[in-house]
Amino acid sequence: SAVISQKPSRDICQRGTSLTIQCQVDSQVTMMFWYRQQPGQSLTLIATANQGSEATYESGFVIDKFPISRPNLTFSTLTVSNMSPEDSSIYLCSVVGFQESYNEQFFGPGTRLTVL
Amino acid sequence: AQSVTQLDSHVSVSEGTPVLLRCNYSSSYSPSLFWYVQHPNKGLQLLLKYTSAATLVKGINGFEAEFKKSETSFHLTKPSAHMSDAAEYFCVVSDEGFQKLVFGTGTRLLVSP
Repeated sequence: SAVISQKPSRDICQRGTSLTIQCQVDSQVTMMFWYRQQPGQSLTLIATANQGSEATYESGFVIDKFPISRPNLTFSTLTVSNMSPEDSSIYLCSVVGFQESYNEQFFGPGTRLTVL
Repeated sequence: AQSVTQLDSHVSVSEGTPVLLRCNYSSSYSPSLFWYVQHPNKGLQLLLKYTSAATLVKGINGFEAEFKKSETSFHLTKPSAHMSDAAEYFCVVSDEGFQKLVFGTGTRLLVSP
C-alpha cells in the first residue's frame, strides 16, 4: 500500500484568494489523482496528474480554476484559485497501488477547505 | 460509461443485527467494483474489491459483498453490526485501468445500541 500525506489538513480562507494543497506519497507513482467532496456529497474526480505532462481535467473542471503541478513522482499540488464559498469542500489526492495492490486506489486524509 | 447507484442514503440498524447496503452498477464491460468506508473526519479506507475473480468477496472487519451479474448488483453485508461500523459507505466502479473511479452517492450507516 501507499502512505499519502496532505498539507494543510484544513484551512479557512477568504473569497477571492487562492490555496495550494500539497500531496506527498511515500513511493514513486506514475499517476496521482485529485478529488473533491462537497459537503454531504460523494467524491468527484477533478483531474489526473502525470509527471512531466499537463494534467487531464474532467468535465466541469478547468486548469485556470484548479492548476495542478506534478514536479516529480512522489509529489503533486492542487491550487484552488479565486475561491468562492462554493469551493468549500474536502479535497483528496489518491494514487494507484502496486504489486498486489495494482488495482486499488489509496487516498490521502484530505484537506478540509472552508471559504468565507 | 460506468455508474453506480446506492439505493439507500441512510440505513439504521441495531448493534448485533445484520447490515445490508445496496449498490447497483452500470458498465459497458466487466466491471471492477469496490466498497470504501469513510469514518467521520477520517480518510477513505478500502473495505473490499471485486476484480473478476470470485464473486463473493470478503473484506476487512467482517464485511463481504457478492457480485451478481444478472442483477447488476454488488451489495455489502455484515452478519452482525458493531457500533464502530457507523460511517459513510461508498460503492465505487472503476475503468479498465483502475484509474478513473466513479463513486456512488454514499450510504450513511447508523448503529444504535
